[in-house]
Amino acid sequence: TQLLEQSPQFLSIQEGENLTVYCNSSSVFSSLQWYRQEPGEGPVLLVTVVTGGEVKKLKRLTFQFGDARKDSSLHITAAQTGDTGLYLCAGDEWENNNDMRFGAGTRLTVKP
Amino acid sequence: SQTIHQWPATLVQPVGSPLSLECTVEGTSNPNLYWYRQAAGRGLQLLFYSVGIGQISSEVPQNLSASRPQDRQFILSSKKLLLSDSGFYLCAGTGGYNSPLHFGNGTRLTVT
Repeated sequence: TQLLEQSPQFLSIQEGENLTVYCNSSSVFSSLQWYRQEPGEGPVLLVTVVTGGEVKKLKRLTFQFGDARKDSSLHITAAQTGDTGLYLCAGDEWENNNDMRFGAGTRLTVKP
Repeated sequence: SQTIHQWPATLVQPVGSPLSLECTVEGTSNPNLYWYRQAAGRGLQLLFYSVGIGQISSEVPQNLSASRPQDRQFILSSKKLLLSDSGFYLCAGTGGYNSPLHFGNGTRLTVT
C-alpha cells in the first residue's frame, strides 16, 4: 500500500469547473508538497505546507494541510485547459525526514 | 537555486547489459539526493536516497544500485538489466529538512 493515497486517480472536467483532489495518509508529516508534472518532464513544485491547518493560495489554486498533518487537499477554481497534468503530493515523514514519498498522483484533464 | 542535471534523456539497452545513469547538482552544497522510478503516468517510486558522500539508503530490493562518489554526484547502476527495469528514472535533490525537491528532466530507459 502507498504511504500517501491520492484521490481521485483520474479526473476529467470541463473548462470553468471547480475541482478538489485529496492526499491522505495514516502517517504524520513534517511537511507536504504538491507537484505538477507534464509528460516526459520532471515534477515541478507548486507549494509546500508545513503548519497543521495551513492554507496557501496560488492564484486559482488553494492548498490545505490537515490539522493533524496527515492529509492535504488541492482545490482549483475555474479550471483552465492549461491546468491539465499529473498532480502529485509528496511527504516528508515526521519520524524519518530524509525520504520524500510520493502519492500515485491524480491525472487531471480539463476539456475546452 | 538548485539545478539537477541528468543524462541521457533516453536510453535503449538490451537485457543483460550494464547501466549507469549520472546525476549532478549545481547550486547547493551537501544536498540530499534521490533516485525515483515512475511508471507511465503514475506516481514516483523511491529507489535510493543519500544524505552524504558514500551514504546510500535503499528503499526497494532490486536489480539496481546507487553510489555517491562526490557531494554533488549521484549514480544509478545495474550490472545486468532486466526487462522490468524499463521506466522513467528521475534524479532529485533537496537542501534538507522541509526543503522542496528539484528534479532533473529524467531518463526514459527501455530495456529490449
